[in-house]
Amino acid sequence: QQQVKQSPQSLIVQKGGISIINCAYENTAFDYFPWYQQFPGKGPALLIAIRPDVSEKKEGRFTISFNKSAKQFSLHIMDSQPGDSATYFCAAISGAGSYQLTFGKGTKLSVIP
Amino acid sequence: NAGVTQTPKFQVLKTGQSMTLQCAQDMNHNSMYWYRQDPGMGLRLIYYSASEGTTDKGEVPNGYNVSRLNKREFSLRLESAAPSQTSVYFCASRPGLAGPPYEQYFGPGTRLTVT
Repeated sequence: QQQVKQSPQSLIVQKGGISIINCAYENTAFDYFPWYQQFPGKGPALLIAIRPDVSEKKEGRFTISFNKSAKQFSLHIMDSQPGDSATYFCAAISGAGSYQLTFGKGTKLSVIP
Repeated sequence: NAGVTQTPKFQVLKTGQSMTLQCAQDMNHNSMYWYRQDPGMGLRLIYYSASEGTTDKGEVPNGYNVSRLNKREFSLRLESAAPSQTSVYFCASRPGLAGPPYEQYFGPGTRLTVT
């Protein structure tokens, strides 16, 4: 059973546009919702994370929006650049005593000039 | 610091052969993980080690064994490789309970092909 559903599977955005990736979860025990970024041939790297008591978190051009009642969260990339072209994974994990991240299946983002 | 290192980078095996994937971290992290990544499937946890001396199964442990050799090293063994184990394997580490539970540091991956 997939506990974190991610969409779309792939996304093409013009340079300067807004990229939006959505995730939905089922397990209400999740406490943290991180996003990981993976460039081709590399391992994933933590990008940004949010807790469910916050509705939005912004770091530079990257923003997470969180809707607790709908059990959904999304990543917005403002002013998208070709260097943002990568695969993005949403994830979820329970509290500090938990060790297992549950990942979405990933979104391949291509930003075209 | 090298971070998380994995060897080898690439490997081709024949069905039935065995091999061990090596992982080491120099960040003094307590927890270590093994994932596999397949197209359209995301990252799936194979095994993890919450701390030195402990290991636990993840989502897809069948066909694999692990050894937490010491705090730095965590190896993944395929006893009898099958074509279904063709994948990219990632090792990751996490600082421990003092840090954010979602913060994992990934190695560069091992691309394994089983023919």
